[in-house]
Amino acid sequence: DAKTTQPTSMDCAEGRAANLPCNHSTISGNEYVYWYRQIHSQGPQYIIHGLKNNETNEMASLIITEDRKSSTLILPHATLRDTAVYYCIVTGSNYKLTFGKGTLLTVNP
Amino acid sequence: DAGITQSPRHKVTETGTPVTLRCHQTENHRYMYWYRQDPGHGLRLIHYSYGVKDTDKGEVSDGYSVSRSKTEDFLLTLESATSSQTSVYFCAISDGPSGTDTQYFGPGTRLTVL
Repeated sequence: DAKTTQPTSMDCAEGRAANLPCNHSTISGNEYVYWYRQIHSQGPQYIIHGLKNNETNEMASLIITEDRKSSTLILPHATLRDTAVYYCIVTGSNYKLTFGKGTLLTVNP
Repeated sequence: DAGITQSPRHKVTETGTPVTLRCHQTENHRYMYWYRQDPGHGLRLIHYSYGVKDTDKGEVSDGYSVSRSKTEDFLLTLESATSSQTSVYFCAISDGPSGTDTQYFGPGTRLTVL
């Protein structure tokens, strides 16, 4: 699976959009981009995934660049409950997710 | 939330004792996974199962064994627990291989080996 690079930490004001970047320059054509988050002491929670096109669901939007070498997760209106570690994962069909260190997003009042 | 439970949620045991952790799902998903999470390492795959009685090793499988006799249950056994196995253990399920289907995680089991 391709390696990903994320900032170690980010801050966001409550009510504002949180934009979390991820670089995956070695992604191959059949690999998906997944985003999970982990709120302190809980199990990781699936957020969204995509292959080429931008995706949106009730939690977030995923913007993937045309060359697929990077992506951005957007939380449109961050709340205090969105404070968590966010993991960007690139994976093909090999049964495993490789979690890096992720980005600690802190939403401030 | 996906119907995944883990038991026990917390356990303290002594070095050398056997320990079994249970993951139970109500989603009828084919794939089940065991991960451990340690500070500085993120989540690492221990073992996974792709069907009843079908299991395979992950990246940190030494010292662990698994069994899956029913679709809904995936057991992780530490035959002789060591202090290095103190960790938080997460079970996950999916309906397909990770590249094509989402994994859903349980609440975790915090294991302390003294």
